[in-house]
Amino acid sequence: GAGVSQTPSNKVTEKGKYVELRCDPISGHTALYWYRQSLGQGPEFLIYFQGTGAADDSGLPNDRFFAVRPEGSVSTLKIQRTERGDSAVYLCASSLSPGLPSSGANVLTFGAGSRLTVL
Amino acid sequence: AQSVTQLGSHVSVSEGALVLLRCNYSSSVPPYLFWYVQYPNQGLQLLLKYTSAATLVKGINGFEAEFKKSETSFHLTKPSAHMSDAAEYFCAVTRFGNEKLTFGTGTRLTIIP
Repeated sequence: GAGVSQTPSNKVTEKGKYVELRCDPISGHTALYWYRQSLGQGPEFLIYFQGTGAADDSGLPNDRFFAVRPEGSVSTLKIQRTERGDSAVYLCASSLSPGLPSSGANVLTFGAGSRLTVL
Repeated sequence: AQSVTQLGSHVSVSEGALVLLRCNYSSSVPPYLFWYVQYPNQGLQLLLKYTSAATLVKGINGFEAEFKKSETSFHLTKPSAHMSDAAEYFCAVTRFGNEKLTFGTGTRLTIIP
C-alpha cells in the first residue's frame, strides 16, 4: 500500500482481555518495528522484525506481549491479560531495509497508530 | 546507553518568528540523530537526520538542525514559523548497527497568529 496501515485505530477493552493489533507495512519493506507511546511520552521501542523473524524483542515489557510476522509482511502484536497500564498508542513502522541511516535510504515510515484503552 | 533530552515540553512562537526546539543527546559512541514531526491523528514523519556527514542538516518544510558535538546538541530551527508547523516534534538517537531509535519526550509547538 501507499503507507503503513494499522488496525484498529481505536480499541477499548476490559482488564484481563486479549487484544490483537495489526500492522500492514509498505509493500516491499523488509523491516518492521513496533513502538509504544504513552501519554506525554515519546515512542518506546518494543520489537523489530527483519523478514519473518524477530531480530530484537528486547523492548517487550513482559511475556504478556508477543508479536508475529509469519509471511514477512503483515505483523500482529498480541497482548494477553491486558492491564490498565497497557493503555497507550501502539505505533508500527516499516523500512526498505535495516534502519541503518548511513545508507541514506533507510527511513522509518510510521503508521497512524492503534490507540488501546484498557478499562 | 543512549538518550535524548528535549528541553521544553511546550513552545509557543508567533507566526513569522524563529522556531527553536532544543535537543541534547547522551551517547558513548558517535550518534545518529533524527527529528520527527507528528501531526494530530497522523504517524510520525521524518523531518531530517544526521548520520556523521555534514553537521548542518537541512530537512523538509524549511527546517534544519546543526550537530554540535562539543555541546552534545542537535537543535531544530526554522527561520520563519508558519501556522502549519503546529505539531509535536520528537528528537531521536541511535548508532551505527542499532535498529532501535530512542526518542525524547517531545515538544509541542504552538503557532500564535
